[in-house]
Amino acid sequence: NAGVTQTPKFQVLKTGQSMTLQCAQDMNHNSMYWYRQDPGMGLRLIYYSASEGTTDKGEVPNGYNVSRLNKREFSLRLESAAPSQTSVYFCASTGTGVYNEQFFGPGTRLTVL
Amino acid sequence: GEDVEQSLFLSVREGDSSVINCTYTDSSSTYLYWYKQEPGAGLQLLTYIFSNMDMKQDQRLTVLLNKKDKHLSLRIADTQTGDSAIYFCAVKAGANNLFFGTGTRLTVIP
Repeated sequence: NAGVTQTPKFQVLKTGQSMTLQCAQDMNHNSMYWYRQDPGMGLRLIYYSASEGTTDKGEVPNGYNVSRLNKREFSLRLESAAPSQTSVYFCASTGTGVYNEQFFGPGTRLTVL
Repeated sequence: GEDVEQSLFLSVREGDSSVINCTYTDSSSTYLYWYKQEPGAGLQLLTYIFSNMDMKQDQRLTVLLNKKDKHLSLRIADTQTGDSAIYFCAVKAGANNLFFGTGTRLTVIP
């Protein structure tokens, strides 16, 4: 099992450019999440998907869109990147276990110039 | 949403105990977690506690929960240099969502 994988690991964009961050999990989990991590602010939820075909906004959804392509894959799109979106992005997934542990990917470090 | 607070930094000497503290606001939280993040990596679950428990021990880790004060702590006994990392407290509120603290950067001094 690879767990949760993310691509790319690093990305540099210019203001206004677009890109899609990819996430996949092989644990047959129903729920998937996108977070951003900024210094001194912990992790903040951008969007989540409780099951295939559904997506919901989290705490900081502005400037982002998501697609739950199938049960395995959950992508995050920046349509017009801004310097305020410079951050480390983490994808996570969770199954239906007793304590609902979230499993995290290794992260994508994005810099917007 | 839930507010989860932690202090940002903690330094301890190798061999000493570390205590990382966390406070939260939602008294209906069901599960509370401690995650560890090593440099350049994602978060890994260290341990968790259910809201009807006061304490949980797992080898060098002890979690204490004071529901009245909405206070969670993680004690690491015999702290080693390999324990240097950022530790996140997280609280489950609602069906799916976790709320994370800011993270505490633990530095272990040899």
